[in-house]
Amino acid sequence: SQQGEEDPQALSIQEGENATMNCSYKTSINNLQWYRQNSGRGLVHLILIRSNEREKHSGRLRVTLDTSKKSSSLLITASRAADTASYFCAPSGGSNYKLTFGKGTLLTVNP
Amino acid sequence: EAQVTQNPRYLITVTGKKLTVTCSQNMNHEYMSWYRQDPGLGLRQIYYSMNVEVTDKGDVPEGYKVSRKEKRNFPLILESPSPNQTSLYFCASTRKGGSYEQYFGPGTRLTVT
Repeated sequence: SQQGEEDPQALSIQEGENATMNCSYKTSINNLQWYRQNSGRGLVHLILIRSNEREKHSGRLRVTLDTSKKSSSLLITASRAADTASYFCAPSGGSNYKLTFGKGTLLTVNP
Repeated sequence: EAQVTQNPRYLITVTGKKLTVTCSQNMNHEYMSWYRQDPGLGLRQIYYSMNVEVTDKGDVPEGYKVSRKEKRNFPLILESPSPNQTSLYFCASTRKGGSYEQYFGPGTRLTVT
């Protein structure tokens, strides 16, 4: 399995602003998932984008995938204090079930 | 309610005292796995199971055992815990052939002294 690397490691913004975090990976993938983790809690699945998709939306979330650059980005629009969490990407190339998570991006949204 | 449960949620134990962390899911998922999360290291997979009686090592299996005798349960066993196994542990499950979305348990914070 391969690991995604999230960037930046930490991001601090004001409520109402947009937050963008990035994920890079090394080898070809079938799909890439994004998860959120509130402090000390279990991860929650946000969105999955397949290798043949370039962009996907879910509510205030927008995910893009550039397979030529082996990178993905997660955009959270009109952020809220409740969006404060760590965000992880999980690229999947071989087994779609064996995910490897990076260190995540810690997003802090200040009220 | 669809969920993954873990017990205990918190555990403080001493070196060498065998312990088991239970994990149970009520979604009839085939795939289950265990992760540990440590500061600066992210989540690392310990073991996973594709179905009953089918288990395999993840990235950091040393010092751990698992079993999958029933579809819903996937206990994590530490036969002789050591301080370097102090960590936050998560169990996760997903349906085979589904959306690949993994459902995570609430976590077990283990301290080995």
